[in-house]
Amino acid sequence: EDKVVQSPLSLVVHEGDTVTLNCSYEVTNFRSLLWYKQEKKAPTFLFMLTSSGIEKKSGRLSSILDKKELFSILNITATQTGDSAIYLCAGYNTDKLIFGTGTRLQVFP
Amino acid sequence: DVKVTQSSRYLVKRTGEKVFLECVQDMDHENMFWYRQDPGLGLRLIYFSYDVKMKEKGDIPEGYSVSREKKERFSLILESASTNQTSMYLCASSFYGYQETQYFGPGTRLLVL
Repeated sequence: EDKVVQSPLSLVVHEGDTVTLNCSYEVTNFRSLLWYKQEKKAPTFLFMLTSSGIEKKSGRLSSILDKKELFSILNITATQTGDSAIYLCAGYNTDKLIFGTGTRLQVFP
Repeated sequence: DVKVTQSSRYLVKRTGEKVFLECVQDMDHENMFWYRQDPGLGLRLIYFSYDVKMKEKGDIPEGYSVSREKKERFSLILESASTNQTSMYLCASSFYGYQETQYFGPGTRLLVL
């Protein structure tokens, strides 16, 4: 059965810290790995990764995929209170997205 | 900007009631999806649709049905609501051939008493 596992489940940090969120996957016919940010509303798209070893970057956020070891990481540097959210990882298998349970990040001033 | 809207942000219903959750997207997307999100379980796919009148079961279709009479609208129906259907319901849409790039609505938090 396809599954996506995220760790940690929850993370509490202070502003300015750097965090790494982990996502491992077992998805048949895997095509891509996606990261979403969910505040108290709709999940919003962050990254889509299809190739191993190529870092995608957007401001203080970056992500990379390892298709050999079947995992991805999402890094956030110099965290801000506005980064507080649930971060969702999903594997896509040509048919549907399989989501992990998410990592809840809380950033305190 | 893609906009996906859902008819209600919060809904309270009684066990046995018929519940309609509406989703509308304004980007002419072919694909539409319904998920439920529960703590510790993540987002799970209930039903999806690739075109008008088409529907496909997702991972947890039991107790739900859907309707897609128009391209922009995808409805989720709980024929007889039960307490275990208390959840956050999220609708999403995408272009055909780009199923992975989904745009989500704000969600409907449903409480079944």
